Parts: sequence; structure tokens; C-alpha cells
Amino acid sequence: EDKVVQSPLSLVVHEGDTVTLNCSYEVTNFRSLLWYKQEKKAPTFLFMLTSSGIEKKSGRLSSILDKKELFSILNITATQTGDSAVYLCAVGQTGANNLFFGTGTRLTVIP
Amino acid sequence: DSGVTQTPKHLITATGQRVTLRCSPRSGDLSVYWYQQSLDQGLQFLIQYYNGEERAKGNILERFSAQQFPDLHSELNLSSLELGDSALYFCASSARSGETDTQYFGPGTRLTVL
Repeated sequence: EDKVVQSPLSLVVHEGDTVTLNCSYEVTNFRSLLWYKQEKKAPTFLFMLTSSGIEKKSGRLSSILDKKELFSILNITATQTGDSAVYLCAVGQTGANNLFFGTGTRLTVIP
Repeated sequence: DSGVTQTPKHLITATGQRVTLRCSPRSGDLSVYWYQQSLDQGLQFLIQYYNGEERAKGNILERFSAQQFPDLHSELNLSSLELGDSALYFCASSARSGETDTQYFGPGTRLTVL
């Protein structure tokens, strides 16, 4: 059975801390892994990863994929209260157009 | 703002009723996807339409149906509603139907079935 597992389920940190969110997957015909940030409602796109070992970076956020060990991490440095959200990991499969989502990691950044 | 719009934002109805959720994709996007997000589950894929035709089906109940119109907006119809259908329903769109397309999500419709 295909699955995407995110850890931890929730995390509380102080502003300025660095956090690492994990996503492991077991899916058939893996094609890509995507990270989304979900605040109040709509998930907003962060990164799409298709190749192992190539870091994608956007400001204080970065992500990398390991296709051999079947996981990805999302790093957030110098966290701010605005980073508080649920971070979703999703996997795209070859031959399928939909995304398969994990249940998310809820990050709370306190001042 | 992703450019994907959904109406209504909130919907409260009773068991046994039927509702229609509407989605307009980003300008130029041909694919529309519907997802359901319940409290205890992640985003679950329901169905995809590409340029008016059904392209992929996920865990969509027989009581649910969807369509995409010539102007590319899409509607999700939910009938014989049950308490367990209460959830956030998201629409996403992408440029094509290709596997490498990023999906952009709308703000969602929160359905409450009483």
C-alpha cells in the first residue's frame, strides 16, 4: 500500500530556531515529491523535487530529496511566527496525475 | 493568492441533501483536481478533469460526481449527504495534465453536514 509519512506530527519552537521536517514515502512509480505550506486554508506550493541530492532553496526554506532512502527533509532557518502552519508533503507518481499527501506536520513558532 | 477560486467558502446543510461546489482554475490551466480534507485524514484525491474530460479518479464515492465545463470551470456535486462528508473540499489546477505539473490550490469550501 502506498504511503507518505511525515514526522514529527507537531512541533513547537521559538523564533530564531532552525527546524527540520521529515517526509518518508513508500509509493509505486515515484516521480516527484512536493512540499506545501497550509496556513488557514489553501495549501501553497513551496518546492517540487525530482532528483536526489539537489537542494532547492527559497529564502530561509530549503529542501532535499534522497531517492535511495526514500525521504525528503524541509529545513526552515531563523524561524518566524509567520512560519506557523501545517507543512504538507505530497508524492506524484508516474502514470498518475494526482498527488498523494501525507497528514502533515503542524509547526508552531512562538515569539 | 494562487489564482484558483472556489465558491462558496462555507456551506452548512442537512443530511440527505445535495450541494454543488464550484471551482475556477487559474487562467490558462486546463486541469482541475478535487481533493477532500477531513480532520483525521490528509488531503485525499477525488477526481481530475482535463479540458472537459475526466482524466483520473481517486477515492470518490458514487454519491459524488463532477464535471468540467467548456469555460474550464468545474463543479463537484455531493448528494445524499452524510455526517461524515463534513470536510474541506479543495480544488487545484495545473497547466496541463502532465505528471510534472505543479498543482495550485484554491481556498477551499468548508462543508458542514448537520
